[in-house]
Amino acid sequence: GESVGLHLPTLSVQEGDNSIINCAYSNSASDYFIWYKQESGKGPQFIIDIRSNMDKRQGQRVTVLLNKTVKHLSLQIAATQPGDSAVYFCAERGDTGFQKLVFGTGTRLLVSP
Amino acid sequence: DAGVIQSPRHEVTEMGQEVTLRCKPISGHDYLFWYRQTMMRGLELLIYFNNNVPIDDSGMPEDRFSAKMPNASFSTLKIQPSEPRDSAVYFCASTYPPDNLSTDTQYFGPGTRLTVL
Repeated sequence: GESVGLHLPTLSVQEGDNSIINCAYSNSASDYFIWYKQESGKGPQFIIDIRSNMDKRQGQRVTVLLNKTVKHLSLQIAATQPGDSAVYFCAERGDTGFQKLVFGTGTRLLVSP
Repeated sequence: DAGVIQSPRHEVTEMGQEVTLRCKPISGHDYLFWYRQTMMRGLELLIYFNNNVPIDDSGMPEDRFSAKMPNASFSTLKIQPSEPRDSAVYFCASTYPPDNLSTDTQYFGPGTRLTVL
């Protein structure tokens, strides 16, 4: 039969726009969250992380927001560039003291010049 | 630092053959992880080690899969015998112990793309 792969949600933006990628996590006890970027043919690359005692953290052109009330994580990319085109994954660490991460299914970001 | 190193980058083999994937973690990292990524199932954790000791192998799909970490700088993932459904990209990642003062992120290698015919 025909195989069905994961359907990755896709966000298409124009170069220079701001992008917001969302993620719903599953474990209210998760204490640490990471955003990864994966380009075609490469391994996931760390972008930014945030601990559960924070609501917001900023990096270079990126901001992560954490809303523990609704178990929601978002990644904001300012002035999106074609080089930002990739699949973005959120990951959560559910067991404090252990390093096991649970990854989301990912969102594909397409940036048009 | 060279980052996590994996070899080979690509592997094509025939069903029934033994496949060995290799990983060198970042020096000083105590944790090592093996993941599999497919279009069907996304990124799955297979097994992880702490200080060379397997901690959680609940993600290993079946007895055909085995992983070892004989020392702090080397790990292998072996599939014997391989099957077409094992075709995927296999990633190795490493990190430090949990520490509120530093990042706990896992650093991934470039992956091994395995094709079993």
